Parts: sequence; structure tokens; C-alpha cells
Amino acid sequence: GAGVSQSPSNKVTEKGKDVELRCDPISGHTALYWYRQSLGQGLEFLIYFQGNSAPDKSGLPSDRFSAERTGGSVSTLTIQRTQQEDSAVYLCASSLSGGRSYEQYFGPGTRLTVT
Amino acid sequence: GENVEQHPSTLSVQEGDSAVIKCTYSDSASNYFPWYKQELGKGPQLIIDIRSNVGEKKDQRIAVTLNKTAKHFSLHITETQPEDSAVYFCAASMNNNDMRFGAGTRLTVKP
Repeated sequence: GAGVSQSPSNKVTEKGKDVELRCDPISGHTALYWYRQSLGQGLEFLIYFQGNSAPDKSGLPSDRFSAERTGGSVSTLTIQRTQQEDSAVYLCASSLSGGRSYEQYFGPGTRLTVT
Repeated sequence: GENVEQHPSTLSVQEGDSAVIKCTYSDSASNYFPWYKQELGKGPQLIIDIRSNVGEKKDQRIAVTLNKTAKHFSLHITETQPEDSAVYFCAASMNNNDMRFGAGTRLTVKP
């Protein structure tokens, strides 16, 4: 079946503008994660949604970052007043909660460049 | 919260040799330890995982070992091939909640 998809694949924006990044998880996956990957760096956890529970926002680096997940499916990560240090690849992953497999399935990412 | 350290950051081996990547974690409550492989321009993909109730798991040329007492786990790749070249990430979590990743190891397998 279809995997996790993200859009856009690339986004170039000017400093100070707002951006929205979209993630379509695998159908039926109740858990959804956002990560940030700076050039040559590891995966920085941003936010985690699990079903109808309140999201774990502990990884969001500032109040310019927010995310929502509508209807338990599609998620949007919003970065307001973008800064150059926000330039990175933003990865979304989804997984089934519970069961024997905890595998996170990653999307291809959105490469954000703030000029 | 959980903190995962990964070493080395880069690793270069000759084709056919073995490669070992090591990770340590801080939270003794963590019980799930996956390893992901990330090829250029793609998202990470799970290659093997281990839970805290076992000490070793093997899948063909890939094996993972876990030492709960020392809070470290390792990835072993034997008979490396050029297509094994990628960035490898370890991670730790409790039941897949609040997954924390290591900084990654860039493995290069020279033909």
C-alpha cells in the first residue's frame, strides 16, 4: 500500500514568512511523529500525536512551531516567522500503536530552505 | 527524558569486512531499540529492532546486541557490501513513545 507522503518535497521561503508542511500517514496508523534533521545531523524529535490524546509537544524548539492533526489522519506542521536556522529536512513518520510492531514508517521529508 | 549517544559518527570499512556501531541510552525504562538506515534523499527505514527481554537478535548479515545493565546496544553488519553504505541511526524508547534517536553514523563501504 501507500507509504507516508509529505508535501511539498522542497520549500524555499524568505526569512519572516510562515510555512506549512503536510504529512499524510499510512492509513490506519494512529501514531504520528515529526522530526527535524539538520544537514549531517541526527533526528531531532519535535512532536508526537497518538490517537485522540493530547500531543507530546516537548520537542518543539520555540513557540513559532506548532502542529495539528485533523481527524486523526493528516498532520500539518506550521513554522511562523521563519528564521535561517529553521532550514532543515522535516521528516514525518507514522506507526501502529500497540501490537507487536513499533516500526515507524518515515516519509521522504520536506527540505526547507529559509533565505 | 531519554538521551541516546551514538559512536562513531563516521565509519569506513573495506567490502567484506564487518562494521560495528555502538549506542548508549540513559533511561533504564526504555525497552525498545530500533536501528534505522537512511539512504541519500530518503527517509530512514527500519532494518532491525530489539526489545529489552532479549540480549541479541540476528537477521542475515545484521545483528543487534543489547546490554541492559550497561545501557548500551550495538549494530553489527558482517560481510559488508557497497550497498550497505548509508547513515545508520539507533534509537531508544519505552513502547515506542517518545522515541529518541542517536546522531547517526555515516558508513562507507569501499569496494
